[in-house]
Amino acid sequence: QVTLRESGPALVKPTQTLTLTCTFSGFSLSTSGMCVSWVRQPPGKALEWLALIDWDDDKYYSTSLKTRLTISKDTSKNQVVLTMTNMDPVDTATYYCARIGGSCYSQGWFDPWGQGTLVTVSS
Amino acid sequence: SYVLTQPPSVSVAPGQTARITCGGNNIGSKSVHWYQQKPGQAPVLVVYDDSDRPSGIPERFSGSNSGNTATLTISRVEAGDEADYYCQVWDSSSDPLFGGGTKLTVL
Repeated sequence: QVTLRESGPALVKPTQTLTLTCTFSGFSLSTSGMCVSWVRQPPGKALEWLALIDWDDDKYYSTSLKTRLTISKDTSKNQVVLTMTNMDPVDTATYYCARIGGSCYSQGWFDPWGQGTLVTVSS
Repeated sequence: SYVLTQPPSVSVAPGQTARITCGGNNIGSKSVHWYQQKPGQAPVLVVYDDSDRPSGIPERFSGSNSGNTATLTISRVEAGDEADYYCQVWDSSSDPLFGGGTKLTVL
């Protein structure tokens, strides 16, 4: 059974850097074709893709946020870490990690998802 | 940039059929995936690759995709189907893209 769980601070101050960890089980990110992604959802709003990392350590970022995002993996710990710099109140959202099924690029789908972690940006 | 357009809301009586659309330029040439999200919960994949169902998803959920519109169809709607539904594709920049979401209300 594949599961993912997000962890990180519930509250960050404006201009700070957010670090979130996705801990997963049921698959290995060293297996060819595997990839994990981050998606966020501001309260009452739609889903927004942020970043993905694949088994070969290739990384891809949202065009609009790429200057602020860094994704990395620790295969031995079954973890994927996302950092987002210069946090702003508009970044307040629930942050999800998810495995991508099918192709990691161009046609893949997100399944399953972690439970999500709400991050509030406020001074 | 590519845009996915979903109606903000759809209402249907129990036992009837709900159709949720996702519009995009020549979306029929893309693979469309659909997610169900109940309040306070993470999204769940209900249809992938236009019309395939993950294991555990009832046959009442089906999908189609042609021209400029993809459609998620929920037959014999139940109260438990009330949720937000999102379509998803990959745009020309190879970024995953979600629609704005549709709130399904079961009357």
